[in-house]
Amino acid sequence: DAGVIQSPRHEVTEMGQEVTLRCKPISGHDYLFWYRQTMMRGLELLIYFNNNVPIDDSGMPEDRFSAKMPNASFSTLKIQPSEPRDSAVYFCASSLAPGYNEQFFGPGTRLTVL
Amino acid sequence: AQSVTQLDSQVPVFEEAPVELRCNYSSSVSVYLFWYVQYPNQGLQLLLKYLSGSTLVKGINGFEAEFNKSQTSFHLRKPSVHISDTAEYFCAVTQYNQGGKLIFGQGTELSVKP
Repeated sequence: DAGVIQSPRHEVTEMGQEVTLRCKPISGHDYLFWYRQTMMRGLELLIYFNNNVPIDDSGMPEDRFSAKMPNASFSTLKIQPSEPRDSAVYFCASSLAPGYNEQFFGPGTRLTVL
Repeated sequence: AQSVTQLDSQVPVFEEAPVELRCNYSSSVSVYLFWYVQYPNQGLQLLLKYLSGSTLVKGINGFEAEFNKSQTSFHLRKPSVHISDTAEYFCAVTQYNQGGKLIFGQGTELSVKP
C-alpha cells in the first residue's frame, strides 16, 4: 500500500482565496483524521470521520473551515476565505480502529497564506 | 479533560549516550498512551503504545517507555542513541471510547550530536 496520500504537498495562496487540501486514506481504514501543526499551537486534531461520517469537529477553528468525506477513499479540507493565520502544516491520518490502533500519517500539506 | 505535558522542548545528546524524554499526562479516566516520532519534513509514525498489562513497553528502533500510573508519566528511553534518532518526538493520550481522538504534547526535539 502507498500509505496515506496528501495533495498538494505545498500550497502558497493569497489571503481571501479558497484552499482545498486532499487526502486518500489507506485502503480498508475506516477512521480518518485531519490535524494542523503550527509552532505556536503544536499538533491539533481538527476533525475525524468514521465510515465517512464526521464524528467530532470540535477542533475546527471556525466556519471558514469545512471537511468532507464523500467516500471511503477520499477526503477534503477546505478553507474559505483563507487568512495568514491559517498558515500551517496540515496532516491527514487514517486508522483501522479507534482508541488503540496506530494512526498512519500522510506527509502533510504545507500551507502558506500571504 | 485530558492534557499532555512534555517537560523538555529540546534535548541535545551525544551519539551512543542514553536518553530519556519525559511525558506527563492528566486524565480523570483510564487512557491509552503513545509515542510518535516525526522526522524532518515527514508525517508522524508510531514508536510504541501502552494499552494495558506490562508497564514497560518496547517499540521500534530500540526505544522503550514505562507507564507509571501513580506519577501519571510515560517517559521514553533509549540506552544508546544514533545520529539517525534526531527527530521530534510526541507523546499522546486518548481515552477509552474516544474514537482515537489523540491529544498530543508539544513535542521534544531530540538532537544527537557526533
